[in-house]
Amino acid sequence: DAKTTQPTSMDCAEGRAANLPCNHSTISGNEYVYWYRQIHSQGPQYIIHGLKNNETNEMASLIITEDRKSSTLILPHATLRDTAVYYCIVRVAGYNNAGNMLTFGGGTRLMVKP
Amino acid sequence: GAGVSQTPSNKVTEKGKYVELRCDPISGHTALYWYRQSLGQGPEFLIYFQGTGAADDSGLPNDRFFAVRPEGSVSTLKIQRTERGDSAVYLCASSFEDSDNEQFFGPGTRLTVL
Repeated sequence: DAKTTQPTSMDCAEGRAANLPCNHSTISGNEYVYWYRQIHSQGPQYIIHGLKNNETNEMASLIITEDRKSSTLILPHATLRDTAVYYCIVRVAGYNNAGNMLTFGGGTRLMVKP
Repeated sequence: GAGVSQTPSNKVTEKGKYVELRCDPISGHTALYWYRQSLGQGPEFLIYFQGTGAADDSGLPNDRFFAVRPEGSVSTLKIQRTERGDSAVYLCASSFEDSDNEQFFGPGTRLTVL
């Protein structure tokens, strides 16, 4: 899987939007961008994924650049409970795929402050 | 419904001992993954099962590590002759099919080797 680069840490004020960037300049055409987060002492939790179109769900929005070399996860109104490590992962999706595992990097530690 | 469960939540053992870590996936999930997370790092893939068979065990660090899933549901990760470097949180995840977009993680087992 392509390697991703994320800032080590970020702060965000409660109630404001949190914008978490990710670089994946070597992403292949059949690789999706996934975001997971890990709250302290818990297992990772899926947030969202996309291929090339922007995606939105009840948790977040994912903005992928046209060249697909970078993306941004947006938490529109961050709360204290959003404090976690956020992982950007690129992964091929499909059946009988030998690369079904998730390859985690170091992630971004987001601290939401009151 | 019930999520992925892992037992024990904590395991302390002495160097050289044998340990077994158990994972109960979400009912009906055919894919099961084991990851290991060292302090301050992202999870690292160990092994992936599709049904009863190990589809990819390329992440197992050496032959002291072994995992089974005899009936295609519960999985056990077995570590022989434990070493202090094996200390980590061992995470299990499951998904409905191996191509499924979301992996559901358990809370992990914290293994400490003294």
